[in-house]
Amino acid sequence: TQLLEQSPQFLSIQEGENLTVYCNSSSVFSSLQWYRQEPGEGPVLLVTVVTGGEVKKLKRLTFQFGDARKDSSLHITAAQPGDTGLYLCAGANQAGTALIFGKGTTLSVSS
Amino acid sequence: ETGVTQSPTHLIKTRGQQVTLRCSSQSGHNTVSWYQQALGQGPQFIFQYYREEENGRGNFPPRFSGLQFPNYSSELNVNALELDDSALYLCASSLVQTVETQYFGPGTRLLVL
Repeated sequence: TQLLEQSPQFLSIQEGENLTVYCNSSSVFSSLQWYRQEPGEGPVLLVTVVTGGEVKKLKRLTFQFGDARKDSSLHITAAQPGDTGLYLCAGANQAGTALIFGKGTTLSVSS
Repeated sequence: ETGVTQSPTHLIKTRGQQVTLRCSSQSGHNTVSWYQQALGQGPQFIFQYYREEENGRGNFPPRFSGLQFPNYSSELNVNALELDDSALYLCASSLVQTVETQYFGPGTRLLVL
C-alpha cells in the first residue's frame, strides 16, 4: 500500500519566519505534487517534482524531491499571512489512475 | 477556458437518503476523478471516469457510483447515506495520460444528519 506521511500536521508561526514541511513514504513515486488548499476551495497545484534530487523554486517556496524519490520537502522563506492554508503532497498510484494524498499540513501565519 | 465547476456547493441530507453531485470538467480534459475529503484529512480517491467508463476505483463501497457523459461532465451518486459520508467531495479533471496534473473544482460540502 502506497502511503504518504506529512509532518508536521499543524504549524503556527509569525510573519517573516521560515518553515519546512515534510512528505515521506516507504514507496517510490514517479513524481510528487504539492497542492495548497484554502477553506471552502479545492486544492490548487503548486508544483510537480519528477527527478530524484530535483529542486524547484516558486518565489519564496522551495520544493525538493529526495534522491530515492520516496520523499519531498517544501520550504517557505519569510512566511506571509497569505501563505496560510492546507499544504498537501500527492503522488500517482501504481495504476496511474489516481492521486494518493498525505493528510496535509495546516499552516497559520500571523502578522 | 473554463475551470472545473461543481454543483451544488453545499447540501444537507439525512441518513438513508440518496444524493447526486455534479461536475463539469475543464475544457479539453477527458478524464474526471472524484475524491472524498473528510475534515482535517487529505482527499481520498473514490473513482475515475474516462470515455464514460470507470477507469479505476478506490476503497469505497458500491453505494458510491458515478457516470460520465459524452461532454466529459460527470456525476457522483451516493445511496443509503451514512453519517460518515459527511465530507467535502472534490471533482478533478485531467488528461488520462497525465493523472499527475489534475485540476480540482471547489467541491461540494455534504452534511448527513
